[in-house]
Amino acid sequence: DGGITQSPKYLFRKEGQNVTLSCEQNLNHDAMYWYRQDPGQGLRLIYYSQIVNDFQKGDIAEGYSVSREKKESFPLTVTSAQKNPTAFYLCATKWTGISYEQYFGPGTRLTVT
Amino acid sequence: DAKTTQPNSMESNEEEPVHLPCNHSTISGTDYIHWYRQLPSQGPEYVIHGLTSNVNNRMASLAIAEDRKSSTLILHRATLRDAAVYYCILSFLTSGTYKYIFGTGTRLKVLA
Repeated sequence: DGGITQSPKYLFRKEGQNVTLSCEQNLNHDAMYWYRQDPGQGLRLIYYSQIVNDFQKGDIAEGYSVSREKKESFPLTVTSAQKNPTAFYLCATKWTGISYEQYFGPGTRLTVT
Repeated sequence: DAKTTQPNSMESNEEEPVHLPCNHSTISGTDYIHWYRQLPSQGPEYVIHGLTSNVNNRMASLAIAEDRKSSTLILHRATLRDAAVYYCILSFLTSGTYKYIFGTGTRLKVLA
């Protein structure tokens, strides 16, 4: 099956710990994105990557880091510097090109206490 | 970055058409207009997108104003499964890829 896998679906961490969220895709899409969603809010862009070994900060990158060592994988690390890390995190992918749509994964709900 | 404005919520009766409005008065000439919908605790699902002309697909229609400062998503016959949060989004090219700006969305309630 082609698609986007985010694991785990639910993640719990203690405050002060770094945590890495996984995003894997087998759609052969070039571009990958990470979004954060808070309750009742829209999505906000954290980081995005067009090609391997290249990524750009989105609107709320502070306290987060990413890597893009393989086309299929774009992991997101939520560091202890992120002041309010509890949120729903969504990974998306997209073909390069004029106006192709984004495909979203099922999301990871992170709770930090 | 351009922004979109949508009503917080709307209601519709089942099997009636629904018109979901979106204002994007600061849109640039090359920005695309996308619509996605999201069910609780799921990732958003693509609905439709367009640039200047009206668009139709199996899910919906997109009507774009002539000045492109507003658009309307049309669900021709709402069903209970269409109840979701609908996002009107602008996408634009930056650093070689398309960036998407999400608004706060419209929560559509469908009444049986």
